[in-house]
Amino acid sequence: AQSVTQLDSQVPVFEEAPVELRCNYSSSVSVYLFWYVQYPNQGLQLLLKYLSGSTLVESINGFEAEFNKSQTSFHLRKPSVHISDTAEYFCAVSLTHAGGTSYGKLTFGQGTILTVHP
Amino acid sequence: EAQVTQNPRYLITVTGKKLTVTCSQNMNHEYMSWYRQDPGLGLRQIYYSMNVEVTDKGDVPEGYKVSRKEKRNFPLILESPSPNQTSLYFCASSPGSEPTDTQYFGPGTRLTVL
Repeated sequence: AQSVTQLDSQVPVFEEAPVELRCNYSSSVSVYLFWYVQYPNQGLQLLLKYLSGSTLVESINGFEAEFNKSQTSFHLRKPSVHISDTAEYFCAVSLTHAGGTSYGKLTFGQGTILTVHP
Repeated sequence: EAQVTQNPRYLITVTGKKLTVTCSQNMNHEYMSWYRQDPGLGLRQIYYSMNVEVTDKGDVPEGYKVSRKEKRNFPLILESPSPNQTSLYFCASSPGSEPTDTQYFGPGTRLTVL
């Protein structure tokens, strides 16, 4: 079984401050990990993903996440946030077969609402 | 325009009245999925399909059915809706047979079951 826990339901922060959104997963097998973002009144968009290789992955808008297998975590960070980063962020996990292909099921966390104040 | 469409966008119905929410994509995607979104619970996967004629249960399949008879369509069927199925529903698709690529989400269907 797979599960995802996002430890903070809401994170308020001031503009240009750093932010970390925490995500822990539970799985006994290898995983793929994802962060999705949902801007107000919009659908979800993929922000970044870890499939294999380097444990540090980056998005085009300055976010990064680090896969930590020993701590079963995939925390999302940004060194300096903007007002436009205000959104809800979802962490997700998909289990993989031994050969590296996904089982297909995708489990999301409960979401973290990031609010950036001026 | 490449897109995922869902119909209807809004639906109010009564307990026990069978309904179908359609989902169609025009991108020739292999993977399709249905999710429900509820406040405080995030997104929960109902069913997914890695290819035509291949469907499997997500985390919350109870009370729902799906079929994937052709690649572009993935309807969600509620045989006997109940109030606890009141939710915002999203259909999504992605190019490969796994959910590792960017998923393209439909606009959502807001369902109210009285």
